[in-house]
Amino acid sequence: DAMVIQNPRYQVTQFGKPVTLSCSQTLNHNVMYWYQQKSSQAPKLLFHYYDKDFNNEADTPDNFQSRRPNTSFCFLDIRSPGLGDAAMYLCATSRTAGRPNSPLHFGNGTRLTVT
Amino acid sequence: QQPVQSPQAVILREGEDAVINCSSSKALYSVHWYRQKHGEAPVFLMILLKGGEQKGHDKISASFNEKKQQSSLYLTASQLSYSGTYFCGTDSFMNRDDKIIFGKGTRLHILP
Repeated sequence: DAMVIQNPRYQVTQFGKPVTLSCSQTLNHNVMYWYQQKSSQAPKLLFHYYDKDFNNEADTPDNFQSRRPNTSFCFLDIRSPGLGDAAMYLCATSRTAGRPNSPLHFGNGTRLTVT
Repeated sequence: QQPVQSPQAVILREGEDAVINCSSSKALYSVHWYRQKHGEAPVFLMILLKGGEQKGHDKISASFNEKKQQSSLYLTASQLSYSGTYFCGTDSFMNRDDKIIFGKGTRLHILP
């Protein structure tokens, strides 16, 4: 089945220690998104790629970076995690950008704990 | 601009109906509905694009009003599997680009 896969499901890192989360997709979708979701809150968009074009949200901290080396893979790098960065990180894809929007297909998420 | 969802939480008995609302102060390009179970990723339910549109499958349906500022999700004869948090995601004409912004969610708990 075509899907969006995130690894790892659970990640524990130390305060200030860089961490990378990965996402891969077999849907061949052009657009890939990273959302941050804290407990009992809505998913918050951090950034997205349309093909190789990177779109950063204005309120995404500089501590968060992303790479998309090819259509299938996308990475989220947190350069110096703080305790406030503990959250579920969701990767999603969609077939196209632009309006009207196509549905988002989410991976199962990576739950990040910062100690 | 984040859409406003109501109610924040609903508790139902199995077989009862529920309505979840999602509203915006400005007209929308589209409304998405997703369901998320605890510890899992959100799952797409449906998307509405046209004013006055109604669509659905099984016993879950949704409407989009003529002004395209309000959508409702209808859960009929609810089943235990319907439990979870429901998010609407909207693309507003106010957005600089076509990103989807999620409401704060409505927690639905179905009792046997």
